[in-house]
Amino acid sequence: QKEVEQNSGPLSVPEGAIASLNCTYSDRGSQSFFWYRQYSGKSPELIMFIYSNGDKEDGRFTAQLNKASQYVSLLIRDSQPSDSATYLCAVNLWRDDKIIFGKGTRLHILP
Amino acid sequence: DVKVTQSSRYLVKRTGEKVFLECVQDMDHENMFWYRQDPGLGLRLIYFSYDVKMKEKGDIPEGYSVSREKKERFSLILESASTNQTSMYLCASSFLPGDNFAPKDTQYFGPGTRLTVL
Repeated sequence: QKEVEQNSGPLSVPEGAIASLNCTYSDRGSQSFFWYRQYSGKSPELIMFIYSNGDKEDGRFTAQLNKASQYVSLLIRDSQPSDSATYLCAVNLWRDDKIIFGKGTRLHILP
Repeated sequence: DVKVTQSSRYLVKRTGEKVFLECVQDMDHENMFWYRQDPGLGLRLIYFSYDVKMKEKGDIPEGYSVSREKKERFSLILESASTNQTSMYLCASSFLPGDNFAPKDTQYFGPGTRLTVL
């Protein structure tokens, strides 16, 4: 059974600090990795994708990928109260057009 | 901008009713998906489709069926609604051939339908 694991949280981070969200996955053949943000009662929205080892930056967000360790992370710099949401990590399956989602980490930015 | 729409934001039905949830995407995506999301259980894949008139079972297909008669439209059908099908239902689409902006399995979600079965 292919899996994506995330700490469910809640993760509480002071406003202005760096929030660090982590995800591990089991399928060594996975090539694409995604982070989605989901506000309460809303649907997931894509924040970033990454498919090369290393860091990818987009504004205040940085995705980090380490395929050898099967580990993906999302850093949010200068955290804002509007960043309070559940963050879903998703990973594609080898030779498949599907992606598997983790159950998400609840992030709470403390004003 | 990718747009995925769902027929209703909120729906209340009675046990035993036949329920149709519709999803439409305007990006000419090849693939479409239906999920349900419940607290503590995350997103669970019900059915998906890689092409018109094609369908594949996901992880929890029991009690559901789907229809894809046109590329842009993917319908989820609850043949006889039960209370344990009360959930948030999410439709997603992916894959535009030739689009190199994002990985082809990048999924874009509709707003969701909150279904309550009484």
